[in-house]
Amino acid sequence: EVQLVESGGGLVQPGGSLRLSCAASGFTVSSNYMSWVRQAPGKGLEWVSVIYSGGTTYYADSVKGRFTISRDNSKNTLYLEMNRLRPEDTAVYYCAREGFLGDWYLDLWGRGTLVTVSS
Amino acid sequence: SYELTQPPSVSVSPGQTARITCSGDALPKKYAYWYQQKSGQAPVLVIYEDGKRPSGIPERFSGSSSGTMATLTISGAQVEDEADYYCYSTDSSVTHSVFGTGTKVTVL
Repeated sequence: EVQLVESGGGLVQPGGSLRLSCAASGFTVSSNYMSWVRQAPGKGLEWVSVIYSGGTTYYADSVKGRFTISRDNSKNTLYLEMNRLRPEDTAVYYCAREGFLGDWYLDLWGRGTLVTVSS
Repeated sequence: SYELTQPPSVSVSPGQTARITCSGDALPKKYAYWYQQKSGQAPVLVIYEDGKRPSGIPERFSGSSSGTMATLTISGAQVEDEADYYCYSTDSSVTHSVFGTGTKVTVL
């Protein structure tokens, strides 16, 4: 079955760190563009980061310099390393695969993992 | 930073037509995609390449784009179409993807 399963969310204090994982099955992470998207409670969707199949990475301005996207090809897993966390980073974090229909878009989503930044 | 602007809410009666707009400066050159998100669920693609419908999406969902505005239309809206809808595109530099501000559609 083709799916994405996120893990690693939880409660962390402001200024702390957390690493999210996204295990893929049914396809190869390293052959695809992979993204992280987040959604704060009661708020809209926010694109966070992407890693291209060639390894190039991009970040939203709101997380640049604090978050790092990476992958482990042997584990077929995507990661999001989050440092210097702020209360406004509280959100459900989704990993997603990018497909191409005219342009790049998000064609497969995980169910998300909740990150809460609070003292 | 690049922004896609949507109305916060649209309300229609069952069987009526709901139209959701998405405004962005790069839309004349970039495709718009539309996602439906029901409460507690991951988003689902309902329109791609401005106006194409993925398999399994009801024909009442359609899309169009003109200039800096894309539009999602739900013709004959059903109660089950109640959800949040987001447009999605990339900025002209292609390094950043962006979601619209989101529109809550109420059918009652």
